[in-house]
Amino acid sequence: GQQVMQIPQYQHVQEGEDFTTYCNSSTTLSNIQWYKQRPGGHPVFLIQLVKSGEVKKQKRLTFQFGEAKKNSSLHITATQTTDVGTYFCAGQDGGATNKLIFGTGTLLAVQP
Amino acid sequence: DAGVTQSPTHLIKTRGQHVTLRCSPISGHKSVSWYQQVLGQGPQFIFQYYEKEERGRGNFPDRFSARQFPNYSSELNVNALLLGDSALYLCASSFSQGNYGYTFGSGTRLTVV
Repeated sequence: GQQVMQIPQYQHVQEGEDFTTYCNSSTTLSNIQWYKQRPGGHPVFLIQLVKSGEVKKQKRLTFQFGEAKKNSSLHITATQTTDVGTYFCAGQDGGATNKLIFGTGTLLAVQP
Repeated sequence: DAGVTQSPTHLIKTRGQHVTLRCSPISGHKSVSWYQQVLGQGPQFIFQYYEKEERGRGNFPDRFSARQFPNYSSELNVNALLLGDSALYLCASSFSQGNYGYTFGSGTRLTVV
């Protein structure tokens, strides 16, 4: 079945450093979404990418969808303590169900 | 405008019992999906309902069932609970089955003892 993997599993950075998480799907995706889950919280939708090679920015966050629509990345510039949490990518295959398959997640810890 | 509401927030059940979890989607959202999230892992897809019909089922045993009501609220039922069913159960609503971001509820934390 479809699998979505993320690396790294865990990243610890000093406040102000940059952070990147990578997402790889075993199958081609119709779109990819990114979610953030704070410790003890629930996933919160950040963004959706649909087009091959698409790049979107939200303040310090840059999201990219690969040309083959099988991989994606999230880059955070100058991390802040408020960025702490687990970042999940989630892909939809565009099939009859169009269910969202979540990646394994990257836990980001930011030291002040 | 209320977000996605789930009840109860926490639940403790004994092995072999049955549980019903409830979800009310955002007003106007017709699609409800259920996910199971075990500690330290990503959410796993259980069911998707759209316009009161099941549109997708994940790789979960028949002990798991769900339904969607005319007002688009939904219930997830789990029979014959096992210790391994202990998890955070998340409900997500979206406008349709299409390419829209999901809004998740705060979840129901189920502990099976």
